[in-house]
Amino acid sequence: DAGVIQSPRHEVTEMGQEVTLRCKPISGHNSLFWYRQTMMRGLELLIYFNNNVPIDDSGMPEDRFSAKMPNASFSTLKIQPSEPRDSAVYFCASSFGPRALTHEQYFGPGTRLTVT
Amino acid sequence: AQTVTQSQPEMSVQEAETVTLSCTYDTSESDYYLFWYKQPPSRQMILVIRQEAYKQQNATENRFSVNFQKAAKSFSLKISDSQLGDAAMYFCAFSAQKLVFGQGTRLTINP
Repeated sequence: DAGVIQSPRHEVTEMGQEVTLRCKPISGHNSLFWYRQTMMRGLELLIYFNNNVPIDDSGMPEDRFSAKMPNASFSTLKIQPSEPRDSAVYFCASSFGPRALTHEQYFGPGTRLTVT
Repeated sequence: AQTVTQSQPEMSVQEAETVTLSCTYDTSESDYYLFWYKQPPSRQMILVIRQEAYKQQNATENRFSVNFQKAAKSFSLKISDSQLGDAAMYFCAFSAQKLVFGQGTRLTINP
């Protein structure tokens, strides 16, 4: 099992540019989560999907952020336009079970985003 | 709203000794789950241990065990026989409607 795969591992971009982060969950998992980690705010849940459907996006900071899950094996988190305060490590996680938030979540290695 | 508090930003322990990391949470939910995650310098988040609130028995996983006090809303992690590889950030997390993480405790193991 390859685990949760995220790409890219590192992204450096200029303010105003569009950024797309990608995630491939563990095969067979039915829930997918996007998190952001910063020193100031710690780990925050941005959005989660269950069976490819967005369930809770209340953690998405603003309209500049959007997430999609077109199929069970792929998800994207897009920031357009990016700002320096978006600099953070973005994690994707997946889990399996009838209750998405109560089962073990397996995290990807994260994408370190730097917006200059 | 649920909150998770880890009151120890940093802890250190001698190799082979035992250390306990503290975690308290606040919720009005009766059915929930608690987790401890480990984040080593590689930044990979690794699940250490999981506790269901309806279970009175404390969860154990090899050298890792928890002391779950539901009435006190406390969920501490005990690491026995500490090893150098245990050095990491440890995050306590609560899950009911949403997964909420504490701010983390950085654990250093002294050889």
